Amino acid sequence: NAGVMQNPRHLVRRRGQEARLRCSPMKGHSHVYWYRQLPEEGLKFMVYLQKENIIDESGMPKERFSAEFPKEGPSILRIQQVVRGDSAAYFCASSPGMAGIQYFGPGTRLLVL
Amino acid sequence: AQTVTQSQPEMSVQEAETVTLSCTYDTSENNYYLFWYKQPPSRQMILVIRQEAYKQQNATENRFSVNFQKAAKSFSLKISDSQLGDTAMYFCASSTYSGNTPLVFGKGTRLSVIA
Repeated sequence: NAGVMQNPRHLVRRRGQEARLRCSPMKGHSHVYWYRQLPEEGLKFMVYLQKENIIDESGMPKERFSAEFPKEGPSILRIQQVVRGDSAAYFCASSPGMAGIQYFGPGTRLLVL
Repeated sequence: AQTVTQSQPEMSVQEAETVTLSCTYDTSENNYYLFWYKQPPSRQMILVIRQEAYKQQNATENRFSVNFQKAAKSFSLKISDSQLGDTAMYFCASSTYSGNTPLVFGKGTRLSVIA
């Protein structure tokens, strides 16, 4: 009964580089959500995906950010040309498809130098 | 759109005492879910308790209980017999009832349990 897994747990990038964050949902879960937490803030929704589909990306910045959840493999949150303001904790959550409960991964802490 | 407000940035409580964390929300939905999540220093998000808005009975999980006042749009968390391990950030969150929807979080309350 592995929980939601995220890797890497910590990621350091220099300005202008790309960051790739991975999320493996709990077994049997086909719904994935990405949230961002800035220092001393609550979590803010970014994007909601089901297998091979983006359902809601209303919280995703229009440029540099993209997400996917392929038929096989983990969900990926990709940030191109990172800037210092992208430094944050990025959390992934998965859901079994029943309304309500989301189970969170341990998060990826991104630091942009 | 849903909004969640936590008006207490920080609170402290003596070990074994009871503490109540406040949360108010706004929504145009009639049915929805409300949650309290705990984020300890490890930063892992842990679900503490969930309330379905159509249920009048307040949810309870061991030492954790809520006071859900639907008309007032209030959803407070009571922690009884506080333990040192309860020290954490506590986030109130809401989601709509229709299908899978994102959670909307408050800014959190930092709770310190003092020995």
